[in-house]
Amino acid sequence: GDSVTQMEGPVTLSEEAFLTINCTYTATGYPSLFWYVQYPGEGLQLLLKATKADDKGSNKGFEATYRKETTSFHLEKGSVQVSDSAVYFCALSLRDNYGQNFVFGPGTRLSVLP
Amino acid sequence: GAGVSQSPSNKVTEKGKDVELRCDPISGHTALYWYRQSLGQGLEFLIYFQGNSAPDKSGLPSDRFSAERTGGSVSTLTIQRTQQEDSAVYLCASSAPLAWSYEQYFGPGTRLTVT
Repeated sequence: GDSVTQMEGPVTLSEEAFLTINCTYTATGYPSLFWYVQYPGEGLQLLLKATKADDKGSNKGFEATYRKETTSFHLEKGSVQVSDSAVYFCALSLRDNYGQNFVFGPGTRLSVLP
Repeated sequence: GAGVSQSPSNKVTEKGKDVELRCDPISGHTALYWYRQSLGQGLEFLIYFQGNSAPDKSGLPSDRFSAERTGGSVSTLTIQRTQQEDSAVYLCASSAPLAWSYEQYFGPGTRLTVT
């Protein structure tokens, strides 16, 4: 079945370090790809998305490029801040016979130290 | 309303009691999803509605769990004879009508504690 795999956390970085969180997927069709973020004590919110191969989603300094050849959607940020500490979820969505279904990765916890 | 709302925000119940959790999706969103998130864990898919029908119930962990959606809007997740392992945050999300690449919008969740 369809699935999303993320690098295991927790990831601990110092402020201004470079961030990469790996995400790969398996899908029977041509999915859209998403990164969601969950800040401490808050709900999930969309961080960025990409809908077709080679699209780059970007928001708040984060970027991810839809790589169909490697079935990947790695999240990157050039210089993290303490306020980026959160759990990051990679997800895909696919149309099925009834509508749209979503599959989430297990999440990667990021801690940024001052 | 502007976003997905859920009620109650917190629920403490005794083992063996039944609970009902409510989700009010964004107006016009025909797809509605329920997830469970245990402490420090990822999202566990429970059930998915398209309109009032639930084509995918595969994630419901046992027959104590059920969900319904009426009028293509509000959904209720019911847990009967609650157990301590049911303690978690229950998240609801909705997405727009059948359309490619629409993202999910999440509610704030209901934190359920079974004592």
